[in-house]
Amino acid sequence: DTGVSQDPRHKITKRGQNVTFRCDPISEHNRLYWYRQTLGQGPEFLTYFQNEAQLEKSRLLSDRFSAERPKGSFSTLEIQRTEQGDSAMYLCASSPPDRGEQYFGPGTRLTVT
Amino acid sequence: LAKTTQPISMDSYEGQEVNITCSHNNIATNDYITWYQQFPSQGPRFIIQGYKTKVTNEVASLFIPADRKSSTLSLPRVSLSDTAVYYCLLNTGFQKLVFGTGTRLLVSP
Repeated sequence: DTGVSQDPRHKITKRGQNVTFRCDPISEHNRLYWYRQTLGQGPEFLTYFQNEAQLEKSRLLSDRFSAERPKGSFSTLEIQRTEQGDSAMYLCASSPPDRGEQYFGPGTRLTVT
Repeated sequence: LAKTTQPISMDSYEGQEVNITCSHNNIATNDYITWYQQFPSQGPRFIIQGYKTKVTNEVASLFIPADRKSSTLSLPRVSLSDTAVYYCLLNTGFQKLVFGTGTRLLVSP
């Protein structure tokens, strides 16, 4: 069990640029979640996959955000035309088929200048 | 919105037992009570989960009264490395987690 990994760990981008983050869940975890966390707040849910199907999206996920999990393994989260308000820690979590607890990755810290 | 209420912060000393209480007056029949721990610049880490009575693992104990309207996370003999934010959540099965602002625990020497 190597844990959930995320890449990159840090990303600095200029406003208006597109960014893409990758999440590799724990193998055989069929559920994958994306959250966003800003300073002093708890993580906020963005979206959720079961295998390759995207089952739920938060209203926080504007049309500039898109997430995919094409083969039911790794997932990507893309933000188009980044804004300063997108600066946050983006967390990925996965959970196994038979249990609900979620295992979080280290996060990708995005800074939009 | 988070469905739980917990203290914003707590202070303790090494070697003491720490009890963090969480209120969840509107808990649903299907809700489990779950606690996560988060260190700075890391993702949250699952600590313990329970439905009723008492649950204990190698890290903590979780006490849940019969009415389930509150719960208490107990950390025995804390150390400096237990300084973190602790989140109390209600969740049903495999759904998304709804985090509040958590309890910031500071353990001093």
